[in-house]
Amino acid sequence: AQSVTQPDIHITVSEGASLELRCNYSYGATPYLFWYVQSPGQGLQLLLKYFSGDTLVQGIKGFEAEFKRSQSSFNLRKPSVHWSDAAEYFCAVGSFNTDKLIFGTGTRLQVFP
Amino acid sequence: EPEVTQTPSHQVTQMGQEVILRCVPISNHLYFYWYRQILGQKVEFLVSFYNNEISEKSEIFDDQFSVERPDGSNFTLKIRSTKLEDSAMYFCASSADQSTEAFFGQGTRLTVV
Repeated sequence: AQSVTQPDIHITVSEGASLELRCNYSYGATPYLFWYVQSPGQGLQLLLKYFSGDTLVQGIKGFEAEFKRSQSSFNLRKPSVHWSDAAEYFCAVGSFNTDKLIFGTGTRLQVFP
Repeated sequence: EPEVTQTPSHQVTQMGQEVILRCVPISNHLYFYWYRQILGQKVEFLVSFYNNEISEKSEIFDDQFSVERPDGSNFTLKIRSTKLEDSAMYFCASSADQSTEAFFGQGTRLTVV
């Protein structure tokens, strides 16, 4: 079955610390992979995407993610977190043969000053 | 920057009533989507729409739901007879084509009482 797993429901980091949010997927076809961020009361904003090519992708707000096919993972990283990064982060997977994105359950990030 | 806009931001309706949620996708996009997020749960795909017809739909998208692009700019989701369990945040999204990223609106929070 197709699925996306975000093992961490809630992560708390100090401002300036590094961050890694985990995402694992189970998907039959070649995946397209996405990270979206949702601030309180807001919609889903695309942070970055992977379709093919270089497995390390850069996104907005200083985020990056690495696609590791052998581990079925697409973890999101940021070297130094800012207080404004506090939000909920969603990993999603799609493919060329479907319109549908499958989302993970999300990871809520809390940032302490 | 172009964006997907949704109206209203919040709608309260009585059980059994019909509701129409409205979206204006990004103007040169060809694929349109509705997703929903029940409070505390995953974002779930409902339906995709391309070339004036439904391209793909989930099992959630039963006969109570319909979509329409009535005038070439708006994209609507109608729920014919709302149930309590239809209470959720509904997100509209659009993409330039099937193989590019989807851009999401801010969402409409539907509360069925």
